[in-house]
Amino acid sequence: EAAVTQSPRNKVAVTGGKVTLSCNQTNNHNNMYWYRQDTGHGLRLIHYSYGAGSTEKGDIPDGYKASRPSQENFSLILELATPSQTSVYFCASGEGQGVSGNTLYFGEGSRLIVV
Amino acid sequence: AQKVTQTQTSISVMEKTTVTMDCVYETQDSSYFLFWYKQTASGEIVFLIRQDSYKKENATVGHYSLNFQKPKSSIGLIITATQIEDSAVYFCAMREGAYQGGRALIFGTGTTVSVSP
Repeated sequence: EAAVTQSPRNKVAVTGGKVTLSCNQTNNHNNMYWYRQDTGHGLRLIHYSYGAGSTEKGDIPDGYKASRPSQENFSLILELATPSQTSVYFCASGEGQGVSGNTLYFGEGSRLIVV
Repeated sequence: AQKVTQTQTSISVMEKTTVTMDCVYETQDSSYFLFWYKQTASGEIVFLIRQDSYKKENATVGHYSLNFQKPKSSIGLIITATQIEDSAVYFCAMREGAYQGGRALIFGTGTTVSVSP
């Protein structure tokens, strides 16, 4: 069964509204990540976390917040959604210690449309 | 700053042939990890193969292999005996730092491979 699950899988939000994308992992990995995928840009890192209670900014954090309340859960929060945040969002988990190389395991993606 | 560049946006090949796709990376670190991921038509992203910078031998997994040219900062992916199900988008990625946990992967923009019967 899937080890990284995202919800919702599809979401239509209104401009200015709040959106929360949730991610749950059963890999027992310390690290979790949120990426967005847009045509021509590949996967871009928004926020990541080293463990419960920690969040770090990635390459494109503006307009997004993250929350890691537990080892298993990592949320991405759009406080005031804008049409430019229309995208497909991927959550991933990965080992982060020593020479693991941090191979990532991805969720199925969440398609967000902001109108 | 680290950067990963895939200049080939799409490649079309016939089934059972070999396809090669390029990836060039930039990093200041002397130690780093390189990865290839595959995204299927359903959107699923799966890990394929990885190369550790300190290893001289090219990694091979099944019909995937890498062409690691460290002096050129290049890590090509080779798929031999391609099958229809190899049609996908392939992403190159890099992580800096061998012993610092938690560093995120930086991805390239992807190469779309289409395999025809």
